Amino acid sequence: GQQLNQSPQSMFIQEGEDVSMNCTSSSIFNTWLWYKQDPGEGPVLLIALYKAGELTSNGRLTAQFGITRKDSFLNISASIPSDVGIYFCAGLSNTGNQFYFGTGTSLTVIP
Amino acid sequence: EAQVTQNPRYLITVTGKKLTVTCSQNMNHEYMSWYRQDPGLGLRQIYYSMNVEVTDKGDVPEGYKVSRKEKRNFPLILESPSPNQTSLYFCASRMGQGVPEAFFGQGTRLTVV
Repeated sequence: GQQLNQSPQSMFIQEGEDVSMNCTSSSIFNTWLWYKQDPGEGPVLLIALYKAGELTSNGRLTAQFGITRKDSFLNISASIPSDVGIYFCAGLSNTGNQFYFGTGTSLTVIP
Repeated sequence: EAQVTQNPRYLITVTGKKLTVTCSQNMNHEYMSWYRQDPGLGLRQIYYSMNVEVTDKGDVPEGYKVSRKEKRNFPLILESPSPNQTSLYFCASRMGQGVPEAFFGQGTRLTVV
């Protein structure tokens, strides 16, 4: 299957700091997504990106669809304790039938 | 309330004893999927279904079966579980092809001893 690699694997930051994480793929995707998984819960969609170069925001979150269509980036500004969780990128297959998820970035926010 | 419901939430079983994890959605979604989540590997798709009686393999289908006899239900069947199927399992549904927002259940933590 498709391989999506996320970095960093984990992050420990102070409350109020900004966070950046990225996701790279061996294949091209036409739709990129970012999900967040709270402890003990299933993932929830944060942002969807549909066009190469697109920059989309959702509150303190900003995500970008890379120009090559093989990568995507997520930034979180002014982190707060409830940002704790695992962040997953995902690419939607060209057929629209399957998601391919990244390996995840675990975020810990220290108050 | 729109939701995806999985049962059970936790299950410990022995090698070779058949089990079924149920999944039900109340949003009339066409697409449903099963994933397993393992440390360092993210979420990997096991099977997906595009509609009633239409299913297809994902990336890691070996050792699993699914069925989609009704639109709302998509059970995951392990005919002969093995320890390497110990994992956290998620069911998800979404409206249709190309619609990116998937709604996930709360997960089923399976341990096979």
